[in-house]
Amino acid sequence: EPEVTQTPSHQVTQMGQEVILRCVPISNHLYFYWYRQILGQKVEFLVSFYNNEISEKSEIFDDQFSVERPDGSNFTLKIRSTKLEDSAMYFCASASGGGAKTQYFGPGTRLLVL
Amino acid sequence: EDQVTQSPEALRLQEGESSSLNCSYTVSGLRGLFWYRQDPGKGPEFLFTLYSAGEEKEKERLKATLTKKESFLHITAPKPEDSATYLCAVQVRNDYKLSFGAGTTVTVRA
Repeated sequence: EPEVTQTPSHQVTQMGQEVILRCVPISNHLYFYWYRQILGQKVEFLVSFYNNEISEKSEIFDDQFSVERPDGSNFTLKIRSTKLEDSAMYFCASASGGGAKTQYFGPGTRLLVL
Repeated sequence: EDQVTQSPEALRLQEGESSSLNCSYTVSGLRGLFWYRQDPGKGPEFLFTLYSAGEEKEKERLKATLTKKESFLHITAPKPEDSATYLCAVQVRNDYKLSFGAGTTVTVRA
């Protein structure tokens, strides 16, 4: 069964460093998302991406964040200058369409900023 | 502001003891309500989508129902492997993002 994959599974970085989180969505999906979950808190939406551009972003997704689909398979989230409060689990999700199509989530990348 | 509230926060069940989880929502124009299961340290795993009041979906020991204000996830005769956090999320019209509730953590003891 096709699934969303994410690398790395864990990342430890120093405050102020840049990190890139990678995702491989399900192959025929067209809509891509990043969410994050701070330990003990709700899953929060960050950004949605369709047709090679951002379609929606949350207040969390400020100028320090960017997303890219560098080729036909990968979808990346970059945090330019990490802060302590960026420590969280980051989930990539993909869907075959917009509307109420199911979003399938990857296993997540646990980011720890020291 | 759209809100999704799940109750209870935690539920401890004996194996075979059926129960229900609640997800209440206040949104303007529901497009779909989604139930996911999340194991510790893992990503949400899709269970069901419900689109309109009165709709029901079933999968093994789980059954999800939807009214105009809330959704229930019924767990019938649970087994220890049903232990997980169950997340409810809503999607509203003209929007594709999911807004999640805080989840209900279910522990089933053998």
